[in-house]
This record gives sequence, structure tokens and C-alpha cells, in this order.
Amino acid sequence: KAGVTQTPRYLIKTRGQQVTLSCSPISGHRSVSWYQQTPGQGLQFLFEYFSETQRNKGNFPGRFSGRQFSNSRSEMNVSTLELGDSALYLCASARSASGGNEQFFGPGTRLTVL
Amino acid sequence: TQLLEQSPQFLSIQEGENLTVYCNSSSVFSSLQWYRQEPGEGPVLLVTVVTGGEVKKLKRLTFQFGDARKDSSLHITAAQPGDTGLYLCAGAQEDTDKLIFGTGTRLQVFP
Repeated sequence: KAGVTQTPRYLIKTRGQQVTLSCSPISGHRSVSWYQQTPGQGLQFLFEYFSETQRNKGNFPGRFSGRQFSNSRSEMNVSTLELGDSALYLCASARSASGGNEQFFGPGTRLTVL
Repeated sequence: TQLLEQSPQFLSIQEGENLTVYCNSSSVFSSLQWYRQEPGEGPVLLVTVVTGGEVKKLKRLTFQFGDARKDSSLHITAAQPGDTGLYLCAGAQEDTDKLIFGTGTRLQVFP
């Protein structure tokens, strides 16, 4: 069974640009969550999607948005990039929508904002 | 605001030593998970504890969930270099069902 895949693995952007990250969950998993990981703040929850609907949202500005498609694949978009957005963005999938379910993580997308 | 505080933040020990990592909060969680993350990879689930006071053992790793479901601990016996990594606790909030991660404990085990 293929794991969670994220593309691209590495990305370099400049301030003010926007970026779209992609996540393909494990086959059969309908929940996709996104996290931002930085050395200073650790792993911060961005949002969770289940059946194409945003189920939960973390405390991030509106520049961070996401969506989920009918095949459960998900994209995350960050507009007007800031230096502080440099981070590892992790996607995780789960069988169903419950915070207590095992999260299967992808390897992440390393975003660098110059 | 970080809801889950882990201690210690860093731990550097020799092979064969024992260690305990703590995960504390003022919030109640419906369940708590422990993950380990290695460089270049996403976190991988080690265990989920659900009941207050629950103790789970996974080979040399012992996990405990506090009676009030606000805290947890991870004890490793006879640590090995393969245990090196970032250990993360994560709690499912009772009210929002969000999974909130702890601040992390970076463990290095030297041969």
C-alpha cells in the first residue's frame, strides 16, 4: 500500500509570491490534515479536510487556505508569502475524521521563502 | 499558545541508559498519541492511549496516560542508538477534536 505522498519535496519562493502544495493520501483514507513544522514553534495544526469539507482549522491567517477533491487528494495554498512562512509543511491522512485516529504522515514539503 | 509542553526539550545519553519524557497540559484530552520523527521524514505513530491511568508497553518503551487525561509519559529502558529521533506527543482535544502536538523532545543516543 502506497504511503502519503507530497509534492513538491522542496520549494524556494520569494516574499509576496504564492505557493500551492499537494498531498495524496493513502488509498481509502478520507481525512487529510496539514501541519506546519518549524524549529521555534514545533508542529502546528493548519486545517483538516474530510469528504471535501474543512472540518477543523488552526490559528493561522487567511493567507493559508486549502481544499480537498473528490478523490481525497488535497492542496494547500499560501498567498503573499512572508519570510516566517519558511517551514516544513506536513500532510497526514487518516481513515476517518477523528482527532484520535492514527495520522499517517507524508515526508513533507520544505518551503524556503527568500 | 502551546497547549502541550514536553520535557526535556533535548536529551543526550549513552547507550544502555534509561530515560523518561514528559508531556503536560492543563487541558483534558480524549486520547493521546506518541510519535517519533526521524530527519527527512514525517512523524510515525508509536502508540495511542485512551483511558486515564492506562499503561502500554511496546518492547523497551512504556507509555502512561495520566489519571486525569491531561498528561503522559514515555519511558525508554536501555536506550539504543536506533531510538534517536524527535519524540512528539499529540492530544485530541475533547471540545474541538483537533489533534494538538507537543513541543517535542529531541533524543540522541550515543553508542
